[in-house]
Amino acid sequence: TQLLEQSPQFLSIQEGENLTVYCNSSSVFSSLQWYRQEPGEGPVLLVTVVTGGEVKKLKRLTFQFGDARKDSSLHITAAQPGDTGLYLCAGPNSGYALNFGKGTSLLVTP
Amino acid sequence: EAGVTQFPSHSVIEKGQTVTLRCDPISGHDNLYWYRRVMGKEIKFLLHFVKESKQDESGMPNNRFLAERTGGTYSTLKVQPAELEDSGVYFCASSQSRGRSYGYTFGSGTRLTVV
Repeated sequence: TQLLEQSPQFLSIQEGENLTVYCNSSSVFSSLQWYRQEPGEGPVLLVTVVTGGEVKKLKRLTFQFGDARKDSSLHITAAQPGDTGLYLCAGPNSGYALNFGKGTSLLVTP
Repeated sequence: EAGVTQFPSHSVIEKGQTVTLRCDPISGHDNLYWYRRVMGKEIKFLLHFVKESKQDESGMPNNRFLAERTGGTYSTLKVQPAELEDSGVYFCASSQSRGRSYGYTFGSGTRLTVV
C-alpha cells in the first residue's frame, strides 16, 4: 500500500492569513488529486496534478506536484471562512483505486 | 447533471443484523467505486465496478460484505451479519474515465453505526 502522510493534521487560522498543507509519500505516484470535504458531504475534487513539478492554480489555491512525484502541497492565499473544511490528497495505486491521506482539517475564523 | 446519490444517509443497526446500502452513480459513468472511512482512519478503497463487472475487490474486508451492480446501473453493498467494527461512513463514487487524470464524483456517504 502506498501511504500518503498529510500535515498538519489540524490548522486554525484567521481570515486573511496564508497557509500551506503538505502531502508526502515514500512512493512515486503517476498523479495526485486534492479533494475538499465538508461535514456530511463526500469529498469534492479540486485538482489533479500529473507531471512532476507541475503547478496548478484555482483562484486563491495553488497546488504543486513534487519533481519526483512523491509529494504535493496546497497553498491558500488570503484564506476565507469559506475555505474551512477537510483537505484530502489521494493517489492511484497500481490499479484504479485511490489511496487517501488522513487529511488536514482547516478552520478559518473571521 | 444529477450527482452520485447514496441512501440511506444514516443507518443504525444492531450487531448481527443485515444492512444494505445503495448507490446511484452519475448516468453514463461506467466506473463505480465503494470506499469506507472508519473513525480516525483514512478513506479506504473497498471495490471497483466497471459496468456490472467487479474489476477490483481487493479492499473488501471479508466475506460478510457483498457488492452487486446489476445491469451496470445502481450498486448495492450488503453487510451480513454486521459487526461493531463495520461502523463508519461508506462512500460511493463514479467516474467516466479510467485514465491518469480521471476524477471521481463522490456521493455524500452513508453513516453506518453498528451497536
